Amino acid sequence: AQTVTQSQPEMSVQEAETVTLSCTYDTSESDYYLFWYKQPPSRQMILVIRQEAYKQQNATENRFSVNFQKAAKSFSLKISDSQLGDAAMYFCAYRGRNNNDMRFGAGTRLTVKP
Amino acid sequence: DVKVTQSSRYLVKRTGEKVFLECVQDMDHENMFWYRQDPGLGLRLIYFSYDVKMKEKGDIPEGYSVSREKKERFSLILESASTNQTSMYLCASSLAGGRGTQYFGPGTRLLVL
Repeated sequence: AQTVTQSQPEMSVQEAETVTLSCTYDTSESDYYLFWYKQPPSRQMILVIRQEAYKQQNATENRFSVNFQKAAKSFSLKISDSQLGDAAMYFCAYRGRNNNDMRFGAGTRLTVKP
Repeated sequence: DVKVTQSSRYLVKRTGEKVFLECVQDMDHENMFWYRQDPGLGLRLIYFSYDVKMKEKGDIPEGYSVSREKKERFSLILESASTNQTSMYLCASSLAGGRGTQYFGPGTRLLVL
């Protein structure tokens, strides 16, 4: 079964600085999707960024970018120019191409200091 | 705009009560999911449904059942609530196949006393 590991339960960053959240996964599949979701305090979980495994180019969405290393099964999230509104729980998730369900990591709580 | 709604944000129930959590999506999605979220454990899949009246067990189905009579609605049922079912429950939906992006509801925080 696929597993997703987030080794950093908590991270902290200074406003306007850059932070990287780590995620590794275990799978025997060659085609799959990877996701980062953000869950602000007491608010709805929303998709931050998505990566398709067959694409070599790393996905970017404004200040958010990923470093996808397929051979190493690593999928880190970089947040540039951190803002107070980035404070949240961040979950890494995996979905096999032919599967309907997703596997989530335990989450990383990000604090942004003013 | 994508919308997934859940019937309650907070619920307090007694041990042994039957509990219904409802989820509605307005995106005509085929797939719907129920997760529970606990600190340090992330999201764990309870059940999912890929079509009306169809369901599949997730990782932790014990003590739960589900119902999907209409495409837009997916209910989670705790037949006899227990204190170890105190948790945050998240509903999600997605299109079948495709890129698999799941859209989440706001969550229901359930306390079983």
